[in-house]
Amino acid sequence: DQQVKQNSPSLSVQEGRISILNCDYTNSMFDYFLWYKKYPAEGPTFLISISSIKDKNEDGRFTVFLNKSAKHLSLHIVPSQPGDSAVYFCAASARNAGGTSYGKLTFGQGTILTVHP
Amino acid sequence: SAVISQKPSRDICQRGTSLTIQCQVDSQVTMMFWYRQQPGQSLTLIATANQGSEATYESGFVIDKFPISRPNLTFSTLTVSNMSPEDSSIYLCSVEDTQYFGPGTRLTVL
Repeated sequence: DQQVKQNSPSLSVQEGRISILNCDYTNSMFDYFLWYKKYPAEGPTFLISISSIKDKNEDGRFTVFLNKSAKHLSLHIVPSQPGDSAVYFCAASARNAGGTSYGKLTFGQGTILTVHP
Repeated sequence: SAVISQKPSRDICQRGTSLTIQCQVDSQVTMMFWYRQQPGQSLTLIATANQGSEATYESGFVIDKFPISRPNLTFSTLTVSNMSPEDSSIYLCSVEDTQYFGPGTRLTVL
């Protein structure tokens, strides 16, 4: 049972354009979402996160949008740069009963982003 | 946020042997997590390690294969036992309430 899904295995974008990476989830208990970038043979690099109390979070070129009713989130990268080429994972977590911390992460399958010069 | 380190960074091991991976955190944490990423796959949680209690394993992972120790609030080890080539992966640790992972241990089993 894949609770977090990234249905696009790959995405190709021209430099300077917008990259949109999508992620869907099924578990209603998830209330914290994260995006990671990963290069081969390295650990994941945290990019941006969003809590379920928000529908948008922005950090520089990266913006994450959350649509709770659709159980869908997306990562927008504007403008895209060749250095953004990597595998992008979305991840989700549920806060503990006290709502004070989040624990284990459930990851999507990843999307390979290629940004062409 | 917590700084997480891992040892070794990489290793090449023979089939049938075992490898113990260490994870050190610079602050005291209750929960530590061990993940695996097989080649071309996503990250999968192996187990959650709480200090003072048995680790909780996810479906498909068992203690005999991946014994975990959690002797204190800043340290944990994961052992990959009786290794086979299918265990070739990157093994990563993380802690509660952080977006960050350790640098990972790249394991190749011949």
